[in-house]
Amino acid sequence: AQRVTQPEKLLSVFKGAPVELKCNYSYSGSPELFWYVQYSRQRLQLLLRHISRESIKGFTADLNKGETSFHLKKPFAQEEDSAMYYCALRPGGSYIPTFGRGTSLIVHP
Amino acid sequence: EPEVTQTPSHQVTQMGQEVILRCVPISNHLYFYWYRQILGQKVEFLVSFYNNEISEKSEIFDDQFSVERPDGSNFTLKIRSTKLEDSAMYFCASSGDRGPNTEAFFGQGTRLTVV
Repeated sequence: AQRVTQPEKLLSVFKGAPVELKCNYSYSGSPELFWYVQYSRQRLQLLLRHISRESIKGFTADLNKGETSFHLKKPFAQEEDSAMYYCALRPGGSYIPTFGRGTSLIVHP
Repeated sequence: EPEVTQTPSHQVTQMGQEVILRCVPISNHLYFYWYRQILGQKVEFLVSFYNNEISEKSEIFDDQFSVERPDGSNFTLKIRSTKLEDSAMYFCASSGDRGPNTEAFFGQGTRLTVV
């Protein structure tokens, strides 16, 4: 069975500092990886997916199959980035994402 | 922009009572899901629903849970006899298809408190 691990429950940085939210996964096949974000009092929403290789709101994430990681990075954090971030994995052939427990990012002014 | 809508936003119920959580998925979507998140824990998959039947369910989704799409627009989660440990945030989601570019859209959640 697949598993998603987000080792940090809380990440606290100052505005302008680089951010890296860690995500490791275990899955024997070819997964699809996603990052979801939940801002305060808002719904869970898709931030980015590895197959799109896109940068959203300055965030990027690279799938590293050797290290089975999909860390989310941003070079300069902004206060509005404060939110809960969830890494999710969808196994090949399935349409159901499995979520990590989430990391709370707090960006201080 | 279309959204998944969940009602109520907060439900308080007594242990042993039945509750129905309601969701209106995005209108042209075909796949529907329920997830839950116990406070401080991860978002956990409960059940998926397609073509008027359950397509997949987790071990959490036992006999006290049921889902229904009663009228072609609502998608409900029923908990037959609530327990204290059912207290959680329940999220409904829907997606248009199951392909690699599929995005699941989530509702804002219903916070269920069992007392």
